[in-house]
Amino acid sequence: DAGVTQSPTHLIKTRGQQVTLRCSPKSGHDTVSWYQQALGQGPQFIFQYYEEEERQRGNFPDRFSGHQFPNYSSELNVNALLLGDSALYLCASSEGHRRNTEAFFGQGTRLTVV
Amino acid sequence: RKEVEQDPGPFNVPEGATVAFNCTYSNSASQSFFWYRQDCRKEPKLLMSVYSSGNEDGRFTAQLNRASQYISLLIRDSKLSDSATYLCVVNSPNQAGTALIFGKGTTLSVSS
Repeated sequence: DAGVTQSPTHLIKTRGQQVTLRCSPKSGHDTVSWYQQALGQGPQFIFQYYEEEERQRGNFPDRFSGHQFPNYSSELNVNALLLGDSALYLCASSEGHRRNTEAFFGQGTRLTVV
Repeated sequence: RKEVEQDPGPFNVPEGATVAFNCTYSNSASQSFFWYRQDCRKEPKLLMSVYSSGNEDGRFTAQLNRASQYISLLIRDSKLSDSATYLCVVNSPNQAGTALIFGKGTTLSVSS
């Protein structure tokens, strides 16, 4: 049973560019959340998707957007990249967006903005 | 005040030591509490959920005090393999979803 998978694992982008990160949830999971983890910090919640809709959003600007597909996979898009967007982006999947079931994390995508 | 605050690290202990991590959270409406473990350059993994009655899993004991909004993790008989960052996590009390709010993490280094 594959766990949460994310792609790509590493990415280097230039300021002002746009980036798309991808996530496939663990089998049987229907809820996907995205987190940003800067160096030396804990993960910060970006948003959560369930039934192809954004259900909850953290304190991130509109440059951060997402999508969930019918197969529950998800994308995170970041526009107009800033140097401060450099971080590890983590995807987590769980079962049921209102149930506090265990969240499983992918290995993350390490984004570097230069 | 940050939503979840943890002891500043790092904690450097010898093998066999007992070490305790503390955490406080600001939102009294939070209902679910966890400790996650994160190894260097890896993803966080659930170590244990924390219940009001306290719970134990082998060498690990977690406690929750809702009145004080305080969570703790005790590790007994530390092993080299316990070296990692420990993240205190609470759920965001929002009916719309189940976002997790993480502390900054406390780094533990166990040496021989």
